[in-house]
Amino acid sequence: ETGVTQSPTHLIKTRGQQVTLRCSSQSGHNTVSWYQQALGQGPQFIFQYYREEENGRGNFPPRFSGLQFPNYSSELNVNALELDDSALYLCASSLAVGQGPPLQETQYFGPGTRLLVL
Amino acid sequence: TQLLEQSPQFLSIQEGENLTVYCNSSSVFSSLQWYRQEPGEGPVLLVTVVTGGEVKKLKRLTFQFGDARKDSSLHITAAQPGDTGLYLCAGTTYNTDKLIFGTGTRLQVFP
Repeated sequence: ETGVTQSPTHLIKTRGQQVTLRCSSQSGHNTVSWYQQALGQGPQFIFQYYREEENGRGNFPPRFSGLQFPNYSSELNVNALELDDSALYLCASSLAVGQGPPLQETQYFGPGTRLLVL
Repeated sequence: TQLLEQSPQFLSIQEGENLTVYCNSSSVFSSLQWYRQEPGEGPVLLVTVVTGGEVKKLKRLTFQFGDARKDSSLHITAAQPGDTGLYLCAGTTYNTDKLIFGTGTRLQVFP
């Protein structure tokens, strides 16, 4: 158990719909990173939120967006769903420290949300 | 472009056998991590290596970071069914602190 929770565990949507996935970070952590893991592949970095601001983004289109709340929980929103968006979506929480650009410590992953787009 | 390539992609062995999983890149990494992921769960961190040539042991698991910091290996001695899972390497480069994951090695250990 990492203390990172995600909801829902499973979700089925159709093409063109919108989806919101949620992540509660481990107590004391201030950073949340989101990853997409397609079947049989390693996770791909989507974006990271640090103190409610986006702190880095991977190669994903703008229809993937996110939020981080004052309690450091986070949401991942995907608009105009496509069939290729079917995947396991993982969030990971960590503690970033330092006065300048935040230095990331170990990331702890949640169990993921499995999204199927039909 | 996948920066971290793992081999083999799949590995199916009998309990008691030894195995090695490789993680290779043309890029230099500032740190490299190994994770194990079981079905329905997120990846769980096994080890972090940060120094070129570093070797770390975790019970029956031995991790090595290449001298040039471009590759790593995971060796499991006397594999057990409980070792079954997806093994992922992941690293950070000097250009970004965001984790880059490898392609994964799926290990199945039969009793």
